[in-house]
Amino acid sequence: GDSVTQMEGPVTLSEEAFLTINCTYTATGYPSLFWYVQYPGEGLQLLLKATKADDKGSNKGFEATYRKETTSFHLEKGSVQVSDSAVYFCASYTGTASKLTFGTGTRLQVTL
Amino acid sequence: DAGVTQSPTHLIKTRGQQVTLRCSPKSGHDTVSWYQQALGQGPQFIFQYYEEEERQRGNFPDRFSGHQFPNYSSELNVNALLLGDSALYLCASSLDGTKNQPQHFGDGTRLSIL
Repeated sequence: GDSVTQMEGPVTLSEEAFLTINCTYTATGYPSLFWYVQYPGEGLQLLLKATKADDKGSNKGFEATYRKETTSFHLEKGSVQVSDSAVYFCASYTGTASKLTFGTGTRLQVTL
Repeated sequence: DAGVTQSPTHLIKTRGQQVTLRCSPKSGHDTVSWYQQALGQGPQFIFQYYEEEERQRGNFPDRFSGHQFPNYSSELNVNALLLGDSALYLCASSLDGTKNQPQHFGDGTRLSIL
């Protein structure tokens, strides 16, 4: 079945540091890929998406590129802020399965 | 434009009881999916409803059941509650469940079983 693997957290960075959170997937067919963010006590918010190979999703300074050859969708941000502290989930979706498959999440802590 | 709304926000039950959680999808969405998120884990797919029918189901026992109403809102029912059912239950809505339409999530219902 489909699966998503994310790097273990927590990731602790100083403000303005560069962020990378690795994500790889296995899927039957050609999934759409997503990054969601979860702040404490809240549900998941869609951060960005990519629906086909070589697509780049971007939002609020975050970017991720759909790499079919490496089955990856790594999240990057050039300069993190304290307000970016949250848990980040990578997810894949295939229409035939009608479901999102999530990674286990990566907690990001940004300090001053 | 209201997003996905869930009720209640918190719930405490005891083992063996039954619970009903409710979800109203984002305006314009017709598909509702339910997920269970245990502490420190990613959400796990329970099932998806479209046109008032269960379209797809994850690896959850029959104690978990659901319903979708003509106005697209949905309920999740869990019978014979176990301690392991303690989790955040998330509802997500989308348009027609197609892969290019992202799912939008509510803030969840936190269920605690004593």
